[in-house]
Amino acid sequence: QKEVEQNSGPLSVPEGAIASLNCTYSDRGSQSFFWYRQYSGKSPELIMSIYSNGDKEDGRFTAQLNKASQYVSLLIRDSQPSDSATYLCAFLNTNAGKSTFGDGTTLTVKP
Amino acid sequence: GAGVSQSPSNKVTEKGKDVELRCDPISGHTALYWYRQSLGQGLEFLIYFQGNSAPDKSGLPSDRFSAERTGGSVSTLTIQRTQQEDSAVYLCASSASTGNTIYFGEGSWLTVV
Repeated sequence: QKEVEQNSGPLSVPEGAIASLNCTYSDRGSQSFFWYRQYSGKSPELIMSIYSNGDKEDGRFTAQLNKASQYVSLLIRDSQPSDSATYLCAFLNTNAGKSTFGDGTTLTVKP
Repeated sequence: GAGVSQSPSNKVTEKGKDVELRCDPISGHTALYWYRQSLGQGLEFLIYFQGNSAPDKSGLPSDRFSAERTGGSVSTLTIQRTQQEDSAVYLCASSASTGNTIYFGEGSWLTVV
């Protein structure tokens, strides 16, 4: 079992719709969770971090964490073509040290 | 500097040559990571430095790959006797400490011909 599982996609949504990206992880000691966005040919950039169970909202983005189910998701409301990118989830077990990344989900928002 | 700085940004080398890639992390960041990303693929962890602790080298794909971090700051990733399958973008990242947000550099694009 991979440490982090993401649907590779591609996920395609129409402009204005809600895009839902999901990630499961196997390490129950994980304490910090991150969502990164990576445009083609660019390096990953942080979108959201979440540390506690529940929802965290930032503009059009909402991260959801459920530690009992070992599940973290990212919702993008009112999706725009500029949101088209690969989205990487990452988690960190502070005791273990380094962060672990998923392989990413490719999102396409069609005008 | 304001962000993670990597050099060179692009490198074309002949098969069998050695290459060195440099990373200058954000000032004060104690954790430093190297990742490799082939075209259309996910991030492949290579090596992780945290402060003065022994580095986690578990991701280095072969003994042709090595990395060092001098003075707890600048890091150099060395690839000896390069092969065509080494062609990829090599990403360096740093964080203030374990558990904090990781910030990436723009990457070093390596092409082995």
